[in-house]
Amino acid sequence: GDSVTQMEGPVTLSEEAFLTINCTYTATGYPSLFWYVQYPGEGLQLLLKATKADDKGSNKGFEATYRKETTSFHLEKGSVQVSDSAVYFCALSERTGGGADGLTFGKGTHLIIQP
Amino acid sequence: DGGITQSPKYLFRKEGQNVTLSCEQNLNHDAMYWYRQDPGQGLRLIYYSQIVNDFQKGDIAEGYSVSREKKESFPLTVTSAQKNPTAFYLCASQTDWSNEQFFGPGTRLTVL
Repeated sequence: GDSVTQMEGPVTLSEEAFLTINCTYTATGYPSLFWYVQYPGEGLQLLLKATKADDKGSNKGFEATYRKETTSFHLEKGSVQVSDSAVYFCALSERTGGGADGLTFGKGTHLIIQP
Repeated sequence: DGGITQSPKYLFRKEGQNVTLSCEQNLNHDAMYWYRQDPGQGLRLIYYSQIVNDFQKGDIAEGYSVSREKKESFPLTVTSAQKNPTAFYLCASQTDWSNEQFFGPGTRLTVL
């Protein structure tokens, strides 16, 4: 079955540091890939996505590139802020349209940014 | 504003009691989902529904039940058969043309 593996935290960085959170996946087909962010006590918000190989998703300074050859979708940001402190989830979906049977999530990476 | 609402935000239940969690969306999405989140385990799919009056079991459906009588609503009942119900429950919905899911704010259930 499908699976997502991401680095486990917590990851602690200083403000303005470079961020990488690794994510690799196993899927039978050609999945779409997502990064979601969860702030304390809240639901998940979509951060970025990519639907095919070599696509780059980007939002709020975060980027991730869909690498089919390495089955990876690593999240990066050049200069993190304290407000980026949250839990980040990598996820995949096998379907490209309606009828999808849910996302497959990684276990989440807790990011802590210190001033 | 369009979105997904879940109520209540916090819920306490005594052992042996059933409890129902509400999920409502006004996004006109066909598909809706229930996930359970436990510390260090990510999100796991409980049930999902792709259309009114139809739903399917996810990975951890035992001890849970759902209904989908209206497009806007997808309530989840946590029954007394669920051995370890204390968790954070998240509802999501999805359009019929995209695989992007939109999440509600969640309900934290605690069994006393």
